[in-house]
Amino acid sequence: DTGVSQNPRHKITKRGQNVTFRCDPISEHNRLYWYRQTLGQGPEFLTYFQNEAQLEKSRLLSDRFSAERPKGSFSTLEIQRTEQGDSAMYLCASSFGSLVHEQFFGPGTRLTVL
Amino acid sequence: DQQVKQNSPSLSVQEGRISILNCDYTNSMFDYFLWYKKYPAEGPTFLISISSIKDKNEDGRFTVFLNKSAKHLSLHIVPSQPGDSAVYFCAARLAPNYGGSQGNLIFGKGTKLSVKP
Repeated sequence: DTGVSQNPRHKITKRGQNVTFRCDPISEHNRLYWYRQTLGQGPEFLTYFQNEAQLEKSRLLSDRFSAERPKGSFSTLEIQRTEQGDSAMYLCASSFGSLVHEQFFGPGTRLTVL
Repeated sequence: DQQVKQNSPSLSVQEGRISILNCDYTNSMFDYFLWYKKYPAEGPTFLISISSIKDKNEDGRFTVFLNKSAKHLSLHIVPSQPGDSAVYFCAARLAPNYGGSQGNLIFGKGTKLSVKP
């Protein structure tokens, strides 16, 4: 399968714990995006990478959130000191070159904070 | 404030008929509009896009119409099939470097389409 993959698919954690999610984009895609989706809402943009450079961060990305893409391939999203309000589906998407507007999404990681 | 609005949370259509999903937007600096389909427990799947300089784009059973003066776009599915039952999201991209954006997508809340056999 050559689509965007995300791990884990589900994560249940206790409030205050740290969690880390991984995203593997489509191999030739140089741009990678993280979004968050809560119930009844569309995906909301969190942050964006072009190769290994993090070029934009949303106001939604508090200082408890950090994302990396160290070698311009896979990316990780870490949430420190999780809160119940962090419970959501975290989606990763990638795109390539001139088709940057056509973003291809992974299956998401569903986070539940108890 | 919501820049991309899908005012119908749900739509029910008979198999074989046309499905029309609507979307309104407020920001004239959007340069691309996209439609995504989402099944439960899966990520959104890209369906079709349209540039802001076009007024129509067609791909098989899917056609997107853009009315810039009304800031309105619609997705037509003809003929509708039961497998089309899903949540459909309208999304728009801010032109890169507008207000610091690198082209992230802004989504509506989605419309749940049910196609009945």
